[in-house]
Amino acid sequence: AQKVTQAQTEISVVEKEDVTLDCVYETRDTTYYLFWYKQPPSGELVFLIRRNSFDEQNEISGRYSWNFQKSTSSFNFTITASQVVDSAVYFCALISAGAGSYQLTFGKGTKLSVIP
Amino acid sequence: EPEVTQTPSHQVTQMGQEVILRCVPISNHLYFYWYRQILGQKVEFLVSFYNNEISEKSEIFDDQFSVERPDGSNFTLKIRSTKLEDSAMYFCASSEMGTGTVSKGYTFGSGTRLTVV
Repeated sequence: AQKVTQAQTEISVVEKEDVTLDCVYETRDTTYYLFWYKQPPSGELVFLIRRNSFDEQNEISGRYSWNFQKSTSSFNFTITASQVVDSAVYFCALISAGAGSYQLTFGKGTKLSVIP
Repeated sequence: EPEVTQTPSHQVTQMGQEVILRCVPISNHLYFYWYRQILGQKVEFLVSFYNNEISEKSEIFDDQFSVERPDGSNFTLKIRSTKLEDSAMYFCASSEMGTGTVSKGYTFGSGTRLTVV
């Protein structure tokens, strides 16, 4: 069975601060995929990034960066110089591709509030 | 960029009534999904659909739920007799994973907010 844990329920930061959102996953499969989605107040789910289990290279995209560490089963997300527009709920999710399942398992989400 | 389209964006229905939520997946995608998010909670998997049949379903997806791809473009979720606890945001998604690859995971629609009163 697979599981995603986002231990931080809510985080508040002041604009321009850096913030890291934690994600810990559990799976028995050796092939899996990790994702981050953003859910702004309008409610839609916005894809941010996908990572394969066989690719531990970290990634940076503008102010966003992701740190994937298989040794600790973590896939953390850092926003540098946060902005008010970053205020949203962020979900970490996992596809554990064993037995042909492509079901996305979501964490409970972290609500980020960026205060001006 | 191709989109998954869901209609309506918001539906209010009386308890016990049937509702049909509609989705138009991305045209070259092969897998289709419904997810549910009760207000303030996490997004939960309901069902996946491939090759005109259900490929996976969760415990939530009981006999009150059904899915259908009535033509080449639409993908629907029917709830036969709605209950108060069915109130949630329902997301449709599609993916190109028929090739065995995972690119963006899924492309989600904007959701239908269902309110059962």
